[in-house]
Amino acid sequence: SQTIHQWPATLVQPVGSPLSLECTVEGTSNPNLYWYRQAAGRGLQLLFYSVGIGQISSEVPQNLSASRPQDRQFILSSKKLLLSDSGFYLCAWTGYANTEAFFGQGTRLTVV
Amino acid sequence: DQQVKQNSPSLSVQEGRISILNCDYTNSMFDYFLWYKKYPAEGPTFLISISSIKDKNEDGRFTVFLNKSAKHLSLHIVPSQPGDSAVYFCAASAKWRDGNKLVFGAGTILRVKS
Repeated sequence: SQTIHQWPATLVQPVGSPLSLECTVEGTSNPNLYWYRQAAGRGLQLLFYSVGIGQISSEVPQNLSASRPQDRQFILSSKKLLLSDSGFYLCAWTGYANTEAFFGQGTRLTVV
Repeated sequence: DQQVKQNSPSLSVQEGRISILNCDYTNSMFDYFLWYKKYPAEGPTFLISISSIKDKNEDGRFTVFLNKSAKHLSLHIVPSQPGDSAVYFCAASAKWRDGNKLVFGAGTILRVKS
C-alpha cells in the first residue's frame, strides 16, 4: 500500500534562517507531488507541484522553492525565512489520473 | 486568481439534519472534483469525488452533485453527525500546461450540534 511521510511535524525557526521540509512517498511510482500551505484561518494554497524528477511548477511567487531529486522525494526549501512563511505545510501525492490525493500529516512551521 | 471558491466560511447544522456544502469553479478545464475533510493539525482525508461526465455520486451518507453548466458542485451529508464537524475542502483537477494540477477551495467549517 502507498504511504506518504512528511517531517518534521513541528518546527520553530528564527527569521532569516534556512528551511528544508522533506516528503517521501512509498508504494507507488511516478506520482504527482504537491506542496500546499494552510495559513491561519485560510484554505489550502497550492505552492508547487511536480510531475517528475526535476520538474517543478510554481503557483505563486514567494520566498520558497521546491526540488524533486528522486521520483518519490519532494523537498520544500527556503534560504531565508520570513515571518509570513509561518503556516501549516502539507505534502500530497496523486496518481496520473488525479482521482484522489493523499496527504501527509503536515508540518506546523512557526517563524519567530 | 481563485479558481475554486467556497463562499461560505462556516456552516452550523443540527444533528440528524442535512448539511449542504457548496463549491463553485471558474475554469471549464477542470474534469474531476473531490471533497476532503480536515481536522486541525492533520492532513486532509479524501471523502468523495465525481467525474465531470457525471452529475451525481453517492457514498453512504455523502452525496456530491455536479452542475457543469453552472460550474457548481455541492456535498450533501445526511444525516449529519457531531463527528462530521471539521473543515471541508472542495478540490478540482485538470490537465495543465506541464502536468496535472489539483486546486483547493478555501474550505468551509462545518459544526454539527448535538
